[in-house]
Amino acid sequence: DTAVSQTPKYLVTQMGNDKSIKCEQNLGHDTMYWYKQDSKKFLKIMFSYNNKELIINETVPNRFSPKSPDKAHLNLHINSLELGDSAVYFCASRNVGIGELFFGEGSRLTVL
Amino acid sequence: QQQVKQSPQSLIVQKGGISIINCAYENTAFDYFPWYQQFPGKGPALLIAIRPDVSEKKEGRFTISFNKSAKQFSLHIMDSQPGDSATYFCAAERGDSWGKLQFGAGTQVVVTP
Repeated sequence: DTAVSQTPKYLVTQMGNDKSIKCEQNLGHDTMYWYKQDSKKFLKIMFSYNNKELIINETVPNRFSPKSPDKAHLNLHINSLELGDSAVYFCASRNVGIGELFFGEGSRLTVL
Repeated sequence: QQQVKQSPQSLIVQKGGISIINCAYENTAFDYFPWYQQFPGKGPALLIAIRPDVSEKKEGRFTISFNKSAKQFSLHIMDSQPGDSATYFCAAERGDSWGKLQFGAGTQVVVTP
């Protein structure tokens, strides 16, 4: 029973297209995150939602738009994809406050 | 600008040896220092974490050493096993940051049989 699940696991698309990644957690956590891992494996936070409210919005191009329909789901929509968007995107969750962050298995986006 | 500096970038150790990964930070407001382990094709998973009120924490073969005055912390993997081959990330967080973990650049550890 997967705790944090992301779909799709792989995305290959052309420059200029729009794509979405979905994330669901069944841990009952109130906070969800999107992290980006680049080709050098560096992990950087992009967004965070707490109970459907955006609480962290890092310096990310506005082509990236997160949406949280409820506290168990956090989706990421990317418009007008660019080559530099190629990366692995990780969804994560936990309850607010310090503690373990639970990551999904990642969605590898390749922009051609 | 990376707020947590991690070294080395990669490490090769023989089975049974000790792997040591070091991290340094500048922000004295950080008060939680976790280590995450990531296997290829998987998401990072928490390995062990420490708060700055203790200087050492041990869980099985994994030990975090923490030096608050030097603003440094390290992960020691004792009796390294081939199954420990993974990428290890140190991280740091402020209690009021809503989960804004600052990760180090990662260390790829390879344990040879």
